[in-house]
Amino acid sequence: AQKVTQAQTEISVVEKEDVTLDCVYETRDTTYYLFWYKQPPSGELVFLIRRNSFDEQNEISGRYSWNFQKSTSSFNFTITASQVVDSAVYFCALSERFNNDMRFGAGTRLTVKP
Amino acid sequence: KAGVTQTPRYLIKTRGQQVTLSCSPISGHRSVSWYQQTPGQGLQFLFEYFSETQRNKGNFPGRFSGRQFSNSRSEMNVSTLELGDSALYLCASSLALAGPSGANVLTFGAGSRLTVL
Repeated sequence: AQKVTQAQTEISVVEKEDVTLDCVYETRDTTYYLFWYKQPPSGELVFLIRRNSFDEQNEISGRYSWNFQKSTSSFNFTITASQVVDSAVYFCALSERFNNDMRFGAGTRLTVKP
Repeated sequence: KAGVTQTPRYLIKTRGQQVTLSCSPISGHRSVSWYQQTPGQGLQFLFEYFSETQRNKGNFPGRFSGRQFSNSRSEMNVSTLELGDSALYLCASSLALAGPSGANVLTFGAGSRLTVL
């Protein structure tokens, strides 16, 4: 069965600090897809990244970076030099190969203070 | 390019009533999924529609139903509302069903916030 765990319920940092959001997943499939979404106060989930299980290369996009490690079933998300606009709830999610049904983690609420 | 549009954004109902929520996907997107978000249970998958057919269903009672029209617009209905149905209902669209190239990126709407009194 699929399962996504985001152990950090809430994180608070001061602007310009780096912050890492943890995500640990469970699945029996060898082919699966991992996602990160951001949910600002407006409620709309905003897509950040999709990574398939065969691509363990880390990715950097501006201040955002993702570390995918199959050995530890983790897909962590780091924001460098955080900004107030990064304040939101961040969700990690998992989908199996032939299924758009996403299994979401509980989310991590990030607050960036000025 | 217009995003996923959900209506109404907010609504209040009483126990026992029914409610219908609407979702217009991104133009060209043929798959529509629905999710329920509550503080206690988080984000949970309700169902997915493609070509007017339900393709996948989550673990929700039969009071939750949906449909998709030929223009890919979708509606979901909840009958005999209970207090626990109070939630943010999110609709998401994608180009197609998941296939050999894998699960698709879902684009979400802003949601319909339902309060049941």
